[in-house]
Amino acid sequence: SYELTQPPSVSVSPGQTAFITCSGDKLGDTYACWYQQKPGQSPVLVIYQDSKRPSGIPERFSGSNSGNTATLTISGTQAMDEADYYCQAWDSRTYVFGTGTKVTVL
Amino acid sequence: EVQLLESGGGLVQPGESLRLSCAASGFTFSRYAMSWVRQTPGKGLEWVSAISGSGATTYYADSVKGRFNISRDISKNTIYMQMNSLRAEDTAVYYCAKKGAVAGPGYFDYWGQGTLVTVSS
Repeated sequence: SYELTQPPSVSVSPGQTAFITCSGDKLGDTYACWYQQKPGQSPVLVIYQDSKRPSGIPERFSGSNSGNTATLTISGTQAMDEADYYCQAWDSRTYVFGTGTKVTVL
Repeated sequence: EVQLLESGGGLVQPGESLRLSCAASGFTFSRYAMSWVRQTPGKGLEWVSAISGSGATTYYADSVKGRFNISRDISKNTIYMQMNSLRAEDTAVYYCAKKGAVAGPGYFDYWGQGTLVTVSS
């Protein structure tokens, strides 16, 4: 079965840039998206189709996808960005989520 | 405003059955595929099942194939998940999620608040 691997944790200082990677075989051949999940809340879509931001998502969130790796970038990270982040891909039938990354803003 | 409201979760014993419901509003229900996604407490997200807008096509994760059945009632703007032969490892919060695009890449633009299913003796 297809797997998407993320680093378990990423730490970033306020105002700095956080990079969260998502690795999967030939991931760049399909679209990737990203969700943010805060404790006790449902996931929220922050990036879809590799690099598009839904309405209401701040510009500091951006995405890219090439080769075997998709990357979520949070520029000028704020305390409110502390959360779990999941990547996700789709093969026209089934969906696969990444293992998840806890972003800590310290 | 899009709203997804799950219900039906609870505590059941191994081997028993449960039916989850997700009432949708705020969009043209019959045009969009819907999915169930679950999350074991403190763990990651796992896609469980999807159903096309018309209800004619369904997909399942290997972990639930043959035990779970997804369906939808367009007249009630509701999707269901019939869960049979439940196991301890099915314990999770179950989310209902709407596919973001009618056609094209699969991603979820709206999620419900989730309903907790606990399988324990």
